[in-house]
Amino acid sequence: EAQVTQNPRYLITVTGKKLTVTCSQNMNHEYMSWYRQDPGLGLRQIYYSMNVEVTDKGDVPEGYKVSRKEKRNFPLILESPSPNQTSLYFCASSPFPPGLFNTGELFFGEGSRLTVL
Amino acid sequence: SQQGEEDPQALSIQEGENATMNCSYKTSINNLQWYRQNSGRGLVHLILIRSNEREKHSGRLRVTLDTSKKSSSLLITASRAADTASYFCATAYNTNAGKSTFGDGTTLTVKP
Repeated sequence: EAQVTQNPRYLITVTGKKLTVTCSQNMNHEYMSWYRQDPGLGLRQIYYSMNVEVTDKGDVPEGYKVSRKEKRNFPLILESPSPNQTSLYFCASSPFPPGLFNTGELFFGEGSRLTVL
Repeated sequence: SQQGEEDPQALSIQEGENATMNCSYKTSINNLQWYRQNSGRGLVHLILIRSNEREKHSGRLRVTLDTSKKSSSLLITASRAADTASYFCATAYNTNAGKSTFGDGTTLTVKP
């Protein structure tokens, strides 16, 4: 089954304790992206990756890191989480970037709900 | 800042009625997409309209795009209780193909 898998789905952690949210897709997609969703603010793009070893900042990259060493995986790293990073996080992938070729349908994971105390 | 703004924020209708939600954006786009989200779950792609298209249909969905007004609308006809969800527009740009910007969403409730 074609899917984007995120782990963990739920996590409660404490300020400053490094954590990684993994994202994996099995559709051989070139493009992957991370978003956070907060009440009243919709989805905001954190980082995206056009291809392996190519990553770039979205609208809210502060406090996050990413890497794209393999096509299928795009982990989101919070080096020192803070309470303002409490949010619902979504990973998405697409055959092509959203603005290219007009075929940028995004496939989303089920989300990772993170609470930082 | 968020590119897309949607209205209304919330919409409640009876089953069988039509639902219309609107999205406005600020800069030139390559395409605009609509997504649906069921209560806290992942978003599901509904339809994409290109900047050179004015209207597109998919089943009970009709999307329009007015680039002069920088706005789009999503019409769901003959709504069903199962259409209850949040709906988001997302814009993409040819100047930065990797970026996509989502609106704040419209929460639709369809009463049986």
